[in-house]
Amino acid sequence: DAGITQSPRYKITETGRQVTLMCHQTWSHSYMFWYRQDLGHGLRLIYYSAAADITDKGEVPDGYVVSRSKTENFPLTLESATRSQTSVYFCASSEGVGTNYGYTFGSGTRLTVV
Amino acid sequence: ILNVEQSPQSLHVQEGDSTNFTCSFPSSNFYALHWYRWETAKSPEALFVMTLNGDEKKKGRISATLNTKEGYSYLYIKGSQPEDSATYLCASTMNRDDKIIFGKGTRLHILP
Repeated sequence: DAGITQSPRYKITETGRQVTLMCHQTWSHSYMFWYRQDLGHGLRLIYYSAAADITDKGEVPDGYVVSRSKTENFPLTLESATRSQTSVYFCASSEGVGTNYGYTFGSGTRLTVV
Repeated sequence: ILNVEQSPQSLHVQEGDSTNFTCSFPSSNFYALHWYRWETAKSPEALFVMTLNGDEKKKGRISATLNTKEGYSYLYIKGSQPEDSATYLCASTMNRDDKIIFGKGTRLHILP
C-alpha cells in the first residue's frame, strides 16, 4: 500500500542497547524527517534528510544516528538507548519544504527504555 | 532556532460554539506557516500551508488567517463539533529550503 509506514509500532528495550526504528515511504518524496513527541515539548526535530545520502541535524540530535542510502527508507538508530529517549517517534516525508508542501506523518513508534 | 509559540495550551469549548487560537512566529525571514490537526492515537494531518501576508484559507468549518508583518496566525473553528477535539499544531519555516519547526500545540476539547 502506498504511504509512509513506521515499524515497530511499540518497542521496549533496555538501557545501553542499540535499537533501530524504521521508516519507509512509497511516494519517492525527497524529504524525510524524524521527530520525537514528549509531554510539554510538542514535536521536536531529531534529524532530517533532503535526499538520499544527505542528512542534517535537527533540534535534538544527540544520541541518535540516521542514514539514507535509499530515497524510500530513513532509519533512526539509538546507538546506546537511555531512559531519556523514552518517547513517541514520528517519521514524516514531504515533496519539498516551504510553500505548498505539507508533511505526511507515519503512525508513530512508541519506544520505552527500561 | 526558530521559536513558534501557540496559545492557549488547552481550551474547552461547548459544542456549537465557535473558537479560535493563536500561533506566533518570528516575522523576519518568514517563508511559510503550516497548521496541522492531530487526533489522539493518530498522526498529525496537514490542514493548511500559507505564505502570503493577509492569506486566508478555509476547509469546511475551519479557517486560518496569516499576518506575516506582525508574526501571527489565527485558526478559527465555527460551530464546534465533538470530532473537532484534537491538538492543533502550528509550524513555521524561515527560509525556502529550511525545515519547519513546530509549536507545542493547542489542545482543544469539545464539551457535549
